[in-house]
Amino acid sequence: VQMTQSPSYLAASPGESVSISCKASKSISNNLAWYQEKPGKANKLLIHSGSTLQSGTPSRFSGSGSGTDFTLTIRSLESEDFAVYYCQQYNEYPLTFGSGTKLEIK
Amino acid sequence: EVQLVESGGGLVQPGRSLKLSCAASGFTFSNYYMAWVRQAPKKGLEWVATISTSGSRTYYPDSVKGRFTISRDNAKSSLYLQMNSLKSEDTATYYCARFKWEPYFDYWGQGVMVTVSS
Repeated sequence: VQMTQSPSYLAASPGESVSISCKASKSISNNLAWYQEKPGKANKLLIHSGSTLQSGTPSRFSGSGSGTDFTLTIRSLESEDFAVYYCQQYNEYPLTFGSGTKLEIK
Repeated sequence: EVQLVESGGGLVQPGRSLKLSCAASGFTFSNYYMAWVRQAPKKGLEWVATISTSGSRTYYPDSVKGRFTISRDNAKSSLYLQMNSLKSEDTATYYCARFKWEPYFDYWGQGVMVTVSS
């Protein structure tokens, strides 16, 4: 399953809201996870099952979608949110990731 | 606190072998599936291998099947990745990660770098 993530780059200001899209090449039900990557830190699971927040994920993060189209939304951006975000499908092997979205401060 | 610490990386020539290790702590290792995921320089994430809780089942993508072998020692809470016939395209940071039931990863290690070059 190919995962097409967009945009690859996003610039925003603290307090703004942003959305990241992830499209699967075929239906993956809701078997989608979102991760955050920051330099020097282990990757962090944010959301699984398309929209279920992992314990410890702030409520300003939300996930939506099912089938082939998914969205990660971050409301009221905080400085700690500027990072790279990846989606991953786990509906079938081989497990596949999106190409990543780098969220930078404007 | 859950910790996953990879080791064993380094510079290796094409065609040679290397074995990575991942030491797990802070959880009951034998209750979790484990996996390796890699990230080539300036690239995205690529799943490399998965192993079941007992080690009886393993899964690989075509890109490494037949060259890489994932294994585990539950008594030592350790995960391994034996990499043979290494190619330049295997150059990446390798992460170990865990999951309980469905293969999304709730904890990751910090990664170990492998460089394949002559």
